[in-house]
Amino acid sequence: NAGVTQTPKFRILKIGQSMTLQCTQDMNHNYMYWYRQDPGMGLKLIYYSVGAGITDKGEVPNGYNVSRSTTEDFPLRLELAAPSQTSVYFCASSYRNSPLHFGNGTRLTVT
Amino acid sequence: DAKTTQPTSMDCAEGRAANLPCNHSTISGNEYVYWYRQIHSQGPQYIIHGLKNNETNEMASLIITEDRKSSTLILPHATLRDTAVYYCIVRVANNAGNMLTFGGGTRLMVKP
Repeated sequence: NAGVTQTPKFRILKIGQSMTLQCTQDMNHNYMYWYRQDPGMGLKLIYYSVGAGITDKGEVPNGYNVSRSTTEDFPLRLELAAPSQTSVYFCASSYRNSPLHFGNGTRLTVT
Repeated sequence: DAKTTQPTSMDCAEGRAANLPCNHSTISGNEYVYWYRQIHSQGPQYIIHGLKNNETNEMASLIITEDRKSSTLILPHATLRDTAVYYCIVRVANNAGNMLTFGGGTRLMVKP
């Protein structure tokens, strides 16, 4: 049982490039989330999903897109990377209202 | 969701109890209090949660005041590995999912 797995662990992007942050969970959780954490700050919710085929915006969705075609996977897409998107990205999952399980993050730098 | 207020930082001696306070004076009757911690940029880790009764598990105890306007997380015998940022969050547990909002948290430093 690996829990929540995020790839890659680190990435450097040039301004305007695009990439997909991968997140997969093997706990059969129906809820999945993407958060970002800027240095010295708390986490902010980007997008969440309550089940396959259903996604919704969180607090800071601009510049990102998500999809949820399976229960296990919840990728986060950055289309035109900007320096303001330099952050650590955490994916999480939960079963209904149970506590969240987090991955170990993807550290993204946009230069 | 109700806003929470936590001290920015706290120190605790190794082996002593760490008591981390949280104020949530605008909490609603159906909002739970959750505690998570984040060790050195790892993903946050769930610790404990409660509604109005005190709760205890293998990691910590949660004491919620009778008026529910504040709570305290207690780590009974802090170790160096408990050095982390601790987040207190209040949230309604509903079918829309636990969309927890994390504030700045309390940076706990456990010292030898």
